[in-house]
Amino acid sequence: AQSVTQLDSQVPVFEEAPVELRCNYSSSVSVYLFWYVQYPNQGLQLLLKYLSGSTLVESINGFEAEFNKSQTSFHLRKPSVHISDTAEYFCAVSIYSGSARQLTFGSGTQLTVLP
Amino acid sequence: KAGVTQTPRYLIKTRGQQVTLSCSPISGHRSVSWYQQTPGQGLQFLFEYFSETQRNKGNFPGRFSGRQFSNSRSEMNVSTLELGDSALYLCASSLDQSTDTQYFGPGTRLTVL
Repeated sequence: AQSVTQLDSQVPVFEEAPVELRCNYSSSVSVYLFWYVQYPNQGLQLLLKYLSGSTLVESINGFEAEFNKSQTSFHLRKPSVHISDTAEYFCAVSIYSGSARQLTFGSGTQLTVLP
Repeated sequence: KAGVTQTPRYLIKTRGQQVTLSCSPISGHRSVSWYQQTPGQGLQFLFEYFSETQRNKGNFPGRFSGRQFSNSRSEMNVSTLELGDSALYLCASSLDQSTDTQYFGPGTRLTVL
């Protein structure tokens, strides 16, 4: 069975500092990878995704993630964070289960940006 | 396009009751998935419907059930509620399985007393 590990449950960082949220997955088959963000009392919003092609994917708000097949990782990075980036971030992997793809989420990383 | 909508947003029930939650997907989306989110277990997959058929099911007891209508709207039902069913229930829709990008609704917060 596939699994997703987010190594840090809480990441505090000062405003304008860089941040990396780590994500590792276990799967022996081809995967699709996603990062979602959840603000308080809201649903999940897609941040970025890797389906195929370039291993470096970017979001419109400055986040990027790199798919590393050999290390089975999909870490999320941002060179300079803002207060508004404070949220919970979920890494997810999509793999075929039975007749359809199923999305499996990591346990989440709470990013807190400090002034 | 309007996003995924879920009703109601908040619900309070007592143990033993049953509850029905509703999800309206983005127009044109045919796949609807349901997830349960709790502080202890995180986000767990419940089931996925596509063209009114359940295509995938997570590891939840039979008290959790769902259905999808011809207009792709979906409902999930939980019978004989337990305290542990208190959670945020999230619905997500996608165009079809091949796109693999799921768009989430705001969720229904269920509290079981």
